[in-house]
Amino acid sequence: LAKTTQPISMDSYEGQEVNITCSHNNIATNDYITWYQQFPSQGPRFIIQGYKTKVTNEVASLFIPADRKSSTLSLPRVSLSDTAVYYCLVGYGQNFVFGPGTRLSVLP
Amino acid sequence: EAQVTQNPRYLITVTGKKLTVTCSQNMNHEYMSWYRQDPGLGLRQIYYSMNVEVTDKGDVPEGYKVSRKEKRNFPLILESPSPNQTSLYFCASSPRGYGEKLFFGSGTQLSVL
Repeated sequence: LAKTTQPISMDSYEGQEVNITCSHNNIATNDYITWYQQFPSQGPRFIIQGYKTKVTNEVASLFIPADRKSSTLSLPRVSLSDTAVYYCLVGYGQNFVFGPGTRLSVLP
Repeated sequence: EAQVTQNPRYLITVTGKKLTVTCSQNMNHEYMSWYRQDPGLGLRQIYYSMNVEVTDKGDVPEGYKVSRKEKRNFPLILESPSPNQTSLYFCASSPRGYGEKLFFGSGTQLSVL
């Protein structure tokens, strides 16, 4: 199962765009890339998923280069409520492995 | 409303006293799994189930049991809890696994004294 590496923490200010990059050098052909958001004492919540190129939904964009060895979650114009831990998850099978995630702090 | 329901939300127990944490989903999902979350370690998978009567070990299965007798329920059993099992536990489900979106419950905070 592909191992992921993300920055441990990031700070941003309200209204800025935030980009969080995840490295997954040994991603397999069938693996999808999925990002989750987690607030304290709550279960993770799905944000976005992609396989290649770019995916956009109402809350985020996901950029995946051609070699798929990394991916970048982009959060446009963050607010204080976006302060959370963000997890990058890579896999296809049944054993989903979460890394430590990136703790994003949005400052006023 | 589509959801994964865990009970109880908080549980304090003593070493060696058997306990069960229940998990139920109303989305007819085939795949269900259990995770524990500890500070600095992220979420680690304990067990997962691809369908009724099909279960398999995750990364940290020692000290835990599960069963999947019905599609909607996936209880986590601690036969003889120990203090190192003090943790925040999450149940999750998805339609079939295979990289699909996971739906998580609200969590169970377990303290073993």
